Amino acid sequence: EAEVAQSPRYKITEKSQAVAFWCDPISGHATLYWYRQILGQGPELLVQFQDESVVDDSQLPKDRFSAERLKGVDSTLKIQPAELGDSAMYLCASSPGASGVNTQYFGPGTRLTVL
Amino acid sequence: SQQGEEDPQALSIQEGENATMNCSYKTSINNLQWYRQNSGRGLVHLILIRSNEREKHSGRLRVTLDTSKKSSSLLITASRAADTASYFCATDGTGGFKTIFGAGTRLFVKA
Repeated sequence: EAEVAQSPRYKITEKSQAVAFWCDPISGHATLYWYRQILGQGPELLVQFQDESVVDDSQLPKDRFSAERLKGVDSTLKIQPAELGDSAMYLCASSPGASGVNTQYFGPGTRLTVL
Repeated sequence: SQQGEEDPQALSIQEGENATMNCSYKTSINNLQWYRQNSGRGLVHLILIRSNEREKHSGRLRVTLDTSKKSSSLLITASRAADTASYFCATDGTGGFKTIFGAGTRLFVKA
């Protein structure tokens, strides 16, 4: 069964350092999502791609976060510089299309700890 | 901001009992979905119910939707220890394709 791949699974960094997360969605899925999930809370959408285009990044802290999906396949989320409050699980998900029925398939996540 | 609010926040039951979780939301929706998350892992899609549906079943899961009250419930029958997880409702609003997750219900099933 096809799965969403994410790496790394765990990342520990010091504040002010740069970090990057990678996501490979299920083949053929046009829509890719990056979520941040703070412990004890639900996922919060950071950015949504339709192919290579950003369709929603309203909750992305653009002064320090950036995301790209250059060829409309895999994606990278970067934080520079990292802050203590960025410690969270970063989840990537994909779905076949933006038809309004957005069943999403999630990867295992990257747990970020900022010291 | 999170649209869905799950109730209760946490639920502890014995194996074999039924578990009911509720979700309330604020705006008009196209559909509502329920997801499960095991500790420290990604979310797994359980079931989707469209705005013109009132009830849906999948195995031991039963979901209801009341659009007039802007609420949904997830019933897990004959619970098992393996059902221990967090359960989230997620709504797709009529105004766009953005999916908004609630804060989740943490279910603990004791063997």
